Amino acid sequence: GAGVSQSPSNKVTEKGKDVELRCDPISGHTALYWYRQSLGQGLEFLIYFQGNSAPDKSGLPSDRFSAERTGESVSTLTIQRTQQEDSAVYLCASSLVSSRWRTSGLEYYNEQFFGPGTRLTVL
Amino acid sequence: EDQVTQSPEALRLQEGESSSLNCSYTVSGLRGLFWYRQDPGKGPEFLFTLYSAGEEKEKERLKATLTKKESFLHITAPKPEDSATYLCAVQPKTDSWGKLQFGAGTQVVVTP
Repeated sequence: GAGVSQSPSNKVTEKGKDVELRCDPISGHTALYWYRQSLGQGLEFLIYFQGNSAPDKSGLPSDRFSAERTGESVSTLTIQRTQQEDSAVYLCASSLVSSRWRTSGLEYYNEQFFGPGTRLTVL
Repeated sequence: EDQVTQSPEALRLQEGESSSLNCSYTVSGLRGLFWYRQDPGKGPEFLFTLYSAGEEKEKERLKATLTKKESFLHITAPKPEDSATYLCAVQPKTDSWGKLQFGAGTQVVVTP
């Protein structure tokens, strides 16, 4: 089936402009995540949506960053008044949350499947 | 503070030369440890999840193991197509359970 898709694949913008990045998760996946990957750095968690629960926004670096999700569907990450340090690859992932009992206890399964990313360049 | 450290940063192997990558972690309770592979210009591709010390998982030439402080990704008789950056991530019990903390990765190059 179709994987996670993101658009645009590349975005070049000028400092101070607002940008919107889109993520289409895998159909049926209840959880959606945004990460940021700067050159030579590991992935940095930004925000996590799970069903109708309040999103975990603890990774958003400033109030210029916000994200929305429509039900269990599309998500948009918005960066206002972009700065050069916002330049990075923004990755979206989705997962199907499940759990099962094992001898060691209750295990949760949420393997995250990533999209190809949006490369944002702020000039 | 929770930390994930991967070593080495880069690894160059000849085809058929087996090796291991290390992921050491410091978390206050581990819900799960994940391994991903990332090719240039692409998003990470899920490989394994490990939940408890002593657990092992295999996929083709890759085998992941977990102890209470670290995980190893063993690459047996690698081929050039195994060249990629391998990422390790942990999910601490203290975090919302969708949140992964990633290491910086190990870049593996396998030459013919």
